Amino acid sequence: DAGVIQSPRHEVTEMGQEVTLRCKPISGHDYLFWYRQTMMRGLELLIYFNNNVPIDDSGMPEDRFSAKMPNASFSTLKIQPSEPRDSAVYFCASTPVGGSVKHEQYFGPGTRLTVT
Amino acid sequence: AQKITQTQPGMFVQEKEAVTLDCTYDTSDPSYGLFWYKQPSSGEMIFLIYQGSYDQQNATEGRYSLNFQKARKSANLVISASQLGDSAMYFCAMREGTGDKLIFGTGTRLQVFP
Repeated sequence: DAGVIQSPRHEVTEMGQEVTLRCKPISGHDYLFWYRQTMMRGLELLIYFNNNVPIDDSGMPEDRFSAKMPNASFSTLKIQPSEPRDSAVYFCASTPVGGSVKHEQYFGPGTRLTVT
Repeated sequence: AQKITQTQPGMFVQEKEAVTLDCTYDTSDPSYGLFWYKQPSSGEMIFLIYQGSYDQQNATEGRYSLNFQKARKSANLVISASQLGDSAMYFCAMREGTGDKLIFGTGTRLQVFP
């Protein structure tokens, strides 16, 4: 089985530009999570979806950030306009529902975003 | 208050030795799960081991074991027979009750030397 797929792996953009990060969860997983990792703040949950529906977006830092999940196999995280403080590694993770009590999250390889 | 506390920012261990990475947690929910993840320098987050609050025995997965002390609210990761490839950041995380979210600690950087 393919793991969680994220693209691009690296993104360098200028301040003010729109950035779109993409994620394909593991097939059959009903939950999808977006995280941001920085040295200063560690690993932060931004938003998560269950069956394509956003459940908790309280971690989204501000209105410049938005996330969508149009279907079970695709999600995007958009930053518009981007700022240098958005530079971080953005992870997508997915987990199945039911079956496993553990609900361990499987992470994608991350997208390293640099905003200059 | 921090939900997950990892007090060791960095640890060193010699190859083939065992090492314990500390994790304490704070929750009032009787049902919870505890997780450890490894993040090597390549950046990916790798799930290592899980312990449920009602599990009677400490979890083990190969060279990884979890020293679960419920009364102390600690869930320390023990890595036996360390290998150079174990050098990485290690994160402890908790899921409370039937919640979906994982709460992560700040991590411990482990360096294994020959």
